[in-house]
Amino acid sequence: DAKTTQPPSMDCAEGRAANLPCNHSTISGNEYVYWYRQIHSQGPQYIIHGLKNNETNEMASLIITEDRKSSTLILPHATLRDTAVYYCIVRVGGSQGNLIFGKGTKLSVKP
Amino acid sequence: DAMVIQNPRYQVTQFGKPVTLSCSQTLNHNVMYWYQQKSSQAPKLLFHYYDKDFNNEADTPDNFQSRRPNTSFCFLDIRSPGLGDAAMYLCATSRDSLDRLGGYTFGSGTRLTVV
Repeated sequence: DAKTTQPPSMDCAEGRAANLPCNHSTISGNEYVYWYRQIHSQGPQYIIHGLKNNETNEMASLIITEDRKSSTLILPHATLRDTAVYYCIVRVGGSQGNLIFGKGTKLSVKP
Repeated sequence: DAMVIQNPRYQVTQFGKPVTLSCSQTLNHNVMYWYQQKSSQAPKLLFHYYDKDFNNEADTPDNFQSRRPNTSFCFLDIRSPGLGDAAMYLCATSRDSLDRLGGYTFGSGTRLTVV
């Protein structure tokens, strides 16, 4: 079972930052947090992942709380093409563990 | 570009008629996964190959089988498709030591319709 909880849907205005929350209160010390997104009828796309430090790449930033029980994915300037389902995933099982998807958050970016 | 390719993009099969979906990769990743995604649901892991080692999820029906003849190819066989097996089937790959190198790479999926 997925170890994460996300709101089912969120709206964001185009050009504004989108902040997507995720709760993972049962995360263990060596388990990473991954974020993927899935645009309609396409395969999921990797966005970012982290363990305990905040991470940033060309797509997004990942903020993980100090107790690691929650995280936030930040899309700094959302565009209409960012409309998708965003999945927060805690990878269990170490380096051979699998990604088990939860229900995700449907982000709608509006003009 | 290195990628994960799934063929066909759309597949229609008859109820009870065996069907095979294919996945190929040019990434030379040693792990390959098959996920099933039904309408408006999250992807559900069916099984994966770690090199040649097959790993089945506990709740994957026996109707679903997989073959991996070499590093580049992996097949999903549905022996007797039912109406409930209509879904998007997603193939993904990853390197060993996933956490240091990043996430899975997914194909575009094969949408299976059972008639």
